[in-house]
Amino acid sequence: DTEVTQTPKHLVMGMTNKKSLKCEQHMGHRAMYWYKQKAKKPPELMFVYSYEKLSINESVPSRFSPECPNSSLLNLHLHALQPEDSALYLCASSQEVGLAGSDEQFFGPGTRLTVL
Amino acid sequence: AQKVTQAQTEISVVEKEDVTLDCVYETRDTTYYLFWYKQPPSGELVFLIRRNSFDEQNEISGRYSWNFQKSTSSFNFTITASQVVDSAVYFCALIRNSGNTPLVFGKGTRLSVIA
Repeated sequence: DTEVTQTPKHLVMGMTNKKSLKCEQHMGHRAMYWYKQKAKKPPELMFVYSYEKLSINESVPSRFSPECPNSSLLNLHLHALQPEDSALYLCASSQEVGLAGSDEQFFGPGTRLTVL
Repeated sequence: AQKVTQAQTEISVVEKEDVTLDCVYETRDTTYYLFWYKQPPSGELVFLIRRNSFDEQNEISGRYSWNFQKSTSSFNFTITASQVVDSAVYFCALIRNSGNTPLVFGKGTRLSVIA
């Protein structure tokens, strides 16, 4: 299984809602990532988890809260978002982080989020 | 600081033409890795190739080929006999070989292959 899955595919939420994005991989990868991608822009790294511990937080606002319940799952909890947070949210995984820095990241299909 | 530049924002070609996507990078590291990813309209980023800084051999995979030249800090990607299914945004990316460092992406090149 060489797949990263993400649910839901699309999400529309109001500014007062609480929702969660889910990501799952069964490749035995120990590093998982959240990226945000606005239209016509490259992905921007938000968070990195290595061995289920948060290792990088790229100064992301607290209205985004990541969680890694186990080595296969990664969640992104959303609360009190703003319309400018509307974007494609991509999850990725790789064998390791930092050991060689070279492992290719495998990306999921993304969740297209719209905040009204 | 690391930087990846993809100067071509959009390219349009007619099917069966060859097309080269340019990638120029900047880094002070001696050990680093370069990647190309494809992002079709469906959204997911598809890994195409990884190359480390010590391996300057060109690579060919089917209709795809990559030309890595350290002397010019370039890692260009050529699609031979392009097809409509090649239409996508292509990202070049760089990562250093140390610590928890993020993948640095270029801004991407949108390739449209017209039938």
